[in-house]
Amino acid sequence: GAVVSQHPSRVICKSGTSVKIECRSLDFQATTMFWYRQFPKQSLMLMATSNEGSKATYEQGVEKDKFLINHASLTLSTLTVTSAHPEDSSFYICSAQFSSSLAGGRETQYFGPGTRLLVL
Amino acid sequence: QQPVQSPQAVILREGEDAVINCSSSKALYSVHWYRQKHGEAPVFLMILLKGGEQKGHEKISASFNEKKQQSSLYLTASQLSYSGTYFCGDGESWGKLQFGAGTQVVVTP
Repeated sequence: GAVVSQHPSRVICKSGTSVKIECRSLDFQATTMFWYRQFPKQSLMLMATSNEGSKATYEQGVEKDKFLINHASLTLSTLTVTSAHPEDSSFYICSAQFSSSLAGGRETQYFGPGTRLLVL
Repeated sequence: QQPVQSPQAVILREGEDAVINCSSSKALYSVHWYRQKHGEAPVFLMILLKGGEQKGHEKISASFNEKKQQSSLYLTASQLSYSGTYFCGDGESWGKLQFGAGTQVVVTP
């Protein structure tokens, strides 16, 4: 239980193009999803909190117009990196908040497999 | 404010034990432990919510001190599969997690 998928797993794009990453909760509904960015050998940096049916909440320093988040349903959140540049190259990971028996009924986050973005 | 993890890295031989600490200058709402293998997503291990709580998952267990300012993760009789980077996350009441820098664990034969 508590399976989260991400698509695509890796993407290479040209500078200036936009890339959309999908995050789906497969066997549960998630009112809240989160988007993280991770650089090699570094920690997970929270970018934004995605709430179904409302605007995303962005962390300080994250550009809202560059990283567009849409949480259209209880099982799908999307992150669109607009006008991507080489410095946007990174590992993007989503998570979905859920209360499952794995966590003794407590709410925690379950992560997708991540999307490796390379901008040329 | 990011929790502080120590040590940064640890190398073990199979069968040895290790402790990873996660601390904060303020009381943590909850502590969430994850393990991430290279190139993969973090996998949930356990969550502790109450001061004095202890939890176990196979031979990996964790504790949360009474003041809720420190949590420790115990790797007992380590196996090769325990290798990876361990992160603790400071939970907030609305679910947001602030992760520590991570502790890299390498278990050798």
